[in-house]
Amino acid sequence: NAGVTQTPKFRVLKTGQSMTLLCAQDMNHEYMYWYRQDPGMGLRLIHYSVGEGTTAKGEVPDGYNVSRLKKQNFLLGLESAAPSQTSVYFCASINTLEGGYTFGSGTRLTVV
Amino acid sequence: GENVEQHPSTLSVQEGDSAVIKCTYSDSASNYFPWYKQELGKRPQLIIDIRSNVGEKKDQRIAVTLNKTAKHFSLHITETQPEDSAVYFCAASKASSASKIIFGSGTRLSIRP
Repeated sequence: NAGVTQTPKFRVLKTGQSMTLLCAQDMNHEYMYWYRQDPGMGLRLIHYSVGEGTTAKGEVPDGYNVSRLKKQNFLLGLESAAPSQTSVYFCASINTLEGGYTFGSGTRLTVV
Repeated sequence: GENVEQHPSTLSVQEGDSAVIKCTYSDSASNYFPWYKQELGKRPQLIIDIRSNVGEKKDQRIAVTLNKTAKHFSLHITETQPEDSAVYFCAASKASSASKIIFGSGTRLSIRP
């Protein structure tokens, strides 16, 4: 039981490049989330999903797209990376409100 | 939507003293309030949570209080130890909003030896 796994752990992109971050959970959780963490700004919700095939916008969705084709996977895409997207990205999942989120270990993305 | 404000942004206390972190929320329908601890370079981890039908909850040296009328909730850490040094986040959620949790901006707690 690995919990929530994020890949990659680190990545450097050039402005305008695209990439996909993968989040995989093996706990059969319904809900999955993508957050970004910036110094002094806490964790801000980008997009989330309440089940397979569904996605919804969070607080800061611009510049990102997501997909949840399989229940265990939640993908975050950057179509044209910008320096403002330099951040640490955390994926999280939850089954109900009981017990709170389980977070992945994070992806540190730098856009130059 | 929900907005969570957290104070202070940094806090330094002497080892053995108590630390208090305060949060306010805007959406009166919020009914779940977790607290997360994040050590340097690590992922956030849930340390305690409270629901709106409870005013106070305690787990060893950690306690959380909730005032629904004032829309305030607080984290109290007693007898602080060096391993308590970390960033602490409060958060708020309501069950009707697909369980999405909105976080405060965090408090960096340092324990002085």
